[in-house]
Amino acid sequence: NAGVTQTPKFQVLKTGQSMTLQCAQDMNHNSMYWYRQDPGMGLRLIYYSASEGTTDKGEVPNGYNVSRLNKREFSLRLESAAPSQTSVYFCASNEPGWHEQYFGPGTRLTVT
Amino acid sequence: EDQVTQSPEALRLQEGESSSLNCSYTVSGLRGLFWYRQDPGKGPEFLFTLYSAGEEKEKERLKATLTKKESFLHITAPKPEDSATYLCAVQAQNFNKFYFGSGTKLNVKP
Repeated sequence: NAGVTQTPKFQVLKTGQSMTLQCAQDMNHNSMYWYRQDPGMGLRLIYYSASEGTTDKGEVPNGYNVSRLNKREFSLRLESAAPSQTSVYFCASNEPGWHEQYFGPGTRLTVT
Repeated sequence: EDQVTQSPEALRLQEGESSSLNCSYTVSGLRGLFWYRQDPGKGPEFLFTLYSAGEEKEKERLKATLTKKESFLHITAPKPEDSATYLCAVQAQNFNKFYFGSGTKLNVKP
């Protein structure tokens, strides 16, 4: 099992450009998440999908959109990138309830 | 407001020198407290879940404990391969909301 996979691993964008970060999991989990990690601030939840067909905002949703394409895939879109979105983005999944999350390897995004 | 604070920010130990990492939290309706290990350039890797005060979990040189306000990750006789950032997270009333601390970066010197 690959677990949680993310593409791309690295990306450099110019201010105003758009891009989509892809995430897939092969553990048959119902819930999926997008986080960003910035130095000294820990992981912050951007959006989550409790189950296929549903999405909800987390702590820091402004400037992002998400799509739960099917049970396996959850994408994060930046419509007009800003330097403040420079960060490392992690996708995670778990089973709903009292269950730990499994994380992907991350996408390091730089916006110039 | 739900909040998680980890201390210290960084910790340097000699191989074999035991110590503890702290995670203090304020959350309405704690569902669970989670410890993760994160190596540079990688995603967090799950270590432990604790659900109620008084609970303890162990794995090799690591032992996690939980009280009503904080959790400790005790590292006994650490080795250089234990060097990593250790993250603490709490799961709130909403099952899908997890709040992470900023982590403790542990460096174990041989």
